[in-house]
Parts: sequence; structure tokens; C-alpha cells
Amino acid sequence: DAGVIQSPRHEVTEMGQEVTLRCKPISGHDYLFWYRQTMMRGLELLIYFNNNVPIDDSGMPEDRFSAKMPNASFSTLKIQPSEPRDSAVYFCASRPGTENTGELFFGEGSRLTVL
Amino acid sequence: DAKTTQPPSMDCAEGRAANLPCNHSTISGNEYVYWYRQIHSQGPQYIIHGLKNNETNEMASLIITEDRKSSTMILPHATLRDTAVYYCTVANAGGTSYGKLTFGQGTILTVHP
Repeated sequence: DAGVIQSPRHEVTEMGQEVTLRCKPISGHDYLFWYRQTMMRGLELLIYFNNNVPIDDSGMPEDRFSAKMPNASFSTLKIQPSEPRDSAVYFCASRPGTENTGELFFGEGSRLTVL
Repeated sequence: DAKTTQPPSMDCAEGRAANLPCNHSTISGNEYVYWYRQIHSQGPQYIIHGLKNNETNEMASLIITEDRKSSTMILPHATLRDTAVYYCTVANAGGTSYGKLTFGQGTILTVHP
């Protein structure tokens, strides 16, 4: 299996622009998570889905952030408009639903820089 | 408010055991202890988890104190490739809520020749 795949790996944009991050979870995994990591705040959960349905979005910072999962193999995290404080590494992770090995499988992350 | 505390950094000689401590004094009865690590510029990688019994897998061992307020994760024979930031966290296992992990600053482990 190729693992969790994220794109783009790096994104540099200007304040006010729309940013879309993409994630392909491991096939067969029922849960998908979006995390954000910064030096100041560490790793924070933004939102997670179960069977394509958002379960908990309490970590989404504000209305500028939105996430969708139109099918089991694809999810997007959108920031519109972007701000410099959104600069961070965004990770997507997935796990199976039927067995609990305790393991979350993370992607390599998307490093976002907003100028 | 951090639920776990870890030393900011540790050193270990290559080939020796690396013992990484973690305090989680407010852990609740249904929370597990999880360890992940993050090598520079990569996503976090799962290492091991446990509830109250000691656990061992192909990567590491986890020793949890009887009162569950602290634990030690052991890499038995550290290599240079084990240099990374190690995170200890607590969370419920299974069900719909597992995966809501919070990582603090972790421990920077440096393995030297």
C-alpha cells in the first residue's frame, strides 16, 4: 500500500488567496483526520471523518477553514481567504474502523507558507 | 493544559537502550498511553501503546507504572536513524473517538555514534 498520500507537499501563497490541500487515505480505512502542526501549538486535530461524514470539527479554527470528503478515497481541506497565521504543516491521517491496533497512519504533510 | 510532560531532550549512544520517560498524572481509567515519533520533515509514526500492562512490539517496549501516572518507552538498541522527536500522549482507544490525538513538544532524542 502506498500509505496516506497528501498534495501538495509544499505551498507558498499570498495572504487572501484560496488554498486547497488534498488527501488520499489508505484504501479500506474508515476514518480520516486532518491535523495542523506549528512550533507554538504542536500538533492539533482540526476535523475528522468516519465513513465520509464529519464527526468532530471543533478544532477547525474559524469559518475560513472547511473540509470535505466526497468519497472514501479523497478529502480536501480548504482555507479561504488564507492568512499568514495559517502557515503550518498540515497532516492527514487515517485508520481502519473495524480493528483498533492503536495506530494512526499519517501522510508526509503539506507545508503551507502564507506571505 | 498539557496532559503529558516529557523532558525536552535526551541523548543516547548508538547501540544502547534509549529510555524515554513520560508523566501523565491525570490519565483517566479508559485512556491509553500512546507513543509516536516524528523524524525531520516526515509525518508522525506510531510506535507503541498500552493501557496498564507492559507492552512490547518489534520497535519498542512500554513500561507503565502501577498507578498509571507515568511510563517509559524503551528503544532497546538505538540507531542513528532513531534520532527524532518522540511524543507521548493519552487518548481513548477504539470507537469513534480514537484518533483525537494531541501532541505537545515531545522529547528530542539524539542518538550519537
